Amino acid sequence: AQRVTQPEKLLSVFKGAPVELKCNYSYSGSPELFWYVQYSRQRLQLLLRHISRESIKGFTADLNKGETSFHLKKPFAQEEDSAMYYCALKGYSSASKIIFGSGTRLSIRP
Amino acid sequence: GAGVSQTPSNKVTEKGKYVELRCDPISGHTALYWYRQSLGQGPEFLIYFQGTGAADDSGLPNDRFFAVRPEGSVSTLKIQRTERGDSAVYLCASSPASGGAHEQFFGPGTRLTVL
Repeated sequence: AQRVTQPEKLLSVFKGAPVELKCNYSYSGSPELFWYVQYSRQRLQLLLRHISRESIKGFTADLNKGETSFHLKKPFAQEEDSAMYYCALKGYSSASKIIFGSGTRLSIRP
Repeated sequence: GAGVSQTPSNKVTEKGKYVELRCDPISGHTALYWYRQSLGQGPEFLIYFQGTGAADDSGLPNDRFFAVRPEGSVSTLKIQRTERGDSAVYLCASSPASGGAHEQFFGPGTRLTVL
């Protein structure tokens, strides 16, 4: 079965501290993985995708096929990073269906 | 340019009633998606259109749910005989074409409350 698991509902860290949002997935084949973010009162938007191998707003995520993980990391948290983060996977049965995790709320304390 | 828009932003209805939710995609986007987000959950796929046709409707929970996109632009999600369990935020997204390589742009959602 295709599934995305985000074990933390809430993650609270101090400004300047490192951040790691965990994501594990279940998938047979070569997955395409994403992180989406939703800031307060804004719509859901793409943060980054694993195929791009880029850093967006200081965030990076590495696909680890051995551990079936795609954790999101940032070395120094900023207050503006407070938001809801969703890990997502593109399913193999449909070219465009995206499967989302349940989300992690990241709260940055000043 | 304008992003994806959805109307109404909020809809309150009574159990058993019929509702229609509208999505206006970004101009020129051929692919359109509907998701449902229940409280405390991530978005859950419902249906996806490529042009006028439903390419994948495997996420529709039952036959009370139906969606159309007659001219390949605006889409309407229709829910018959609403139930309290249908209460959720319904999200629409569009992309330039199908396939995961193209980013999906999300609308603000319609919050549906069934009393």
